[in-house]
Amino acid sequence: DAGITQSPRHKVTETGTPVTLRCHQTENHRYMYWYRQDPGHGLRLIHYSYGVKDTDKGEVSDGYSVSRSKTEDFLLTLESATSSQTSVYFCAISESTTATDTQYFGPGTRLTVL
Amino acid sequence: TQLLEQSPQFLSIQEGENLTVYCNSSSVFSSLQWYRQEPGEGPVLLVTVVTGGEVKKLKRLTFQFGDARKDSSLHITAAQPGDTGLYLCAGASRVFGNEKLTFGTGTRLTIIP
Repeated sequence: DAGITQSPRHKVTETGTPVTLRCHQTENHRYMYWYRQDPGHGLRLIHYSYGVKDTDKGEVSDGYSVSRSKTEDFLLTLESATSSQTSVYFCAISESTTATDTQYFGPGTRLTVL
Repeated sequence: TQLLEQSPQFLSIQEGENLTVYCNSSSVFSSLQWYRQEPGEGPVLLVTVVTGGEVKKLKRLTFQFGDARKDSSLHITAAQPGDTGLYLCAGASRVFGNEKLTFGTGTRLTIIP
């Protein structure tokens, strides 16, 4: 199994509070991704990183920011959490973004915003 | 926005039966991947198909990429309880030099012993 951990695994927070989710990898892969998974929507890309301090937006980036100060860590921040951000968040890593490359997923973080 | 529709959304069948899951889009993809996800875990890659019309077999699972690279199917022969899970297809396309994955809506499969 690829060495990817996410923390916390579960979190309950209140509307309007900031939340930071952490993804940590031990594979030294260049690319890291944050997805959210909701019923009926599959997995949707929030942000991704193609190197230290290099990040870009995905299809559902509003209300989220990311940072990558080290190869192994990719942080996702909800600056002011809303109930619509209740979801399961997955981090993924890959060595490249070629068509046949594999994305390895972490175990997920279940976030509930009350 | 590219969309991948999977059908059926839910499928519950008896052990030993055959089944087919479909993944359809109006967009062309450079490749298509199939993942399986167990409860409480992240998706795990099963296969990648790259060429239009390509067929790949993984034991009792057969994956096919449509000729026009817009659709794909997953066929399972003699389903077993261990096949239970959420099956996701994902199409790859290049955006500003980077390949991006667009995930389908998922098919939740339950095999009844």
